[in-house]
Amino acid sequence: DVKVTQSSRYLVKRTGEKVFLECVQDMDHENMFWYRQDPGLGLRLIYFSYDVKMKEKGDIPEGYSVSREKKERFSLILESASTNQTSMYLCASSSSEGPYNEQFFGPGTRLTVL
Amino acid sequence: AQSVTQPDIHITVSEGASLELRCNYSYGATPYLFWYVQSPGQGLQLLLKYFSGDTLVQGIKGFEAEFKRSQSSFNLRKPSVHWSDAAEYFCALKTSYDKVIFGPGTSLSVIP
Repeated sequence: DVKVTQSSRYLVKRTGEKVFLECVQDMDHENMFWYRQDPGLGLRLIYFSYDVKMKEKGDIPEGYSVSREKKERFSLILESASTNQTSMYLCASSSSEGPYNEQFFGPGTRLTVL
Repeated sequence: AQSVTQPDIHITVSEGASLELRCNYSYGATPYLFWYVQSPGQGLQLLLKYFSGDTLVQGIKGFEAEFKRSQSSFNLRKPSVHWSDAAEYFCALKTSYDKVIFGPGTSLSVIP
């Protein structure tokens, strides 16, 4: 089974703190994604990566950055957390072989910024 | 513009009743479509996917979906709902490369 794990299920941080969310996948997938999920808005793409050290902005990259130093690990960084970044964060990965590949998701990290 | 809409924010059905969740998409090329389910506190799990060929696709947990190009729809169905099906359901459209657009989701409640 594909396993996508996220470092924390729940996280509480204070405004202005630097926050790191870690994601690891064990299927040697080339593609990795970070989404945030808010009620009524579905999933919105923050950043994605096609390969090590490669990154692309998604639909809502403002206030976030990412790092991919190893193929299996994709980190989301909130440089200075704000209350409007309180949300559920989901990591996903997928293979780039062929067009029929779905994304596999981690369990999510519920982040609260106070 | 590329988009996915799910007209129903919330649906309540009785256990044993049939279910249909609606999904409409907007995309200029051949759509690759997915349905995912998210149980409370969990990540998303793939129920089924459509790429080409038969317009009726079967998935896990007894779900199926019908692709209708003329209506730009990809509705999810189940003949008999179980209490464990209560969850959030997301329709998704794969566009260029590996980017996926998700609908806003439909929350399903099941009455015993």
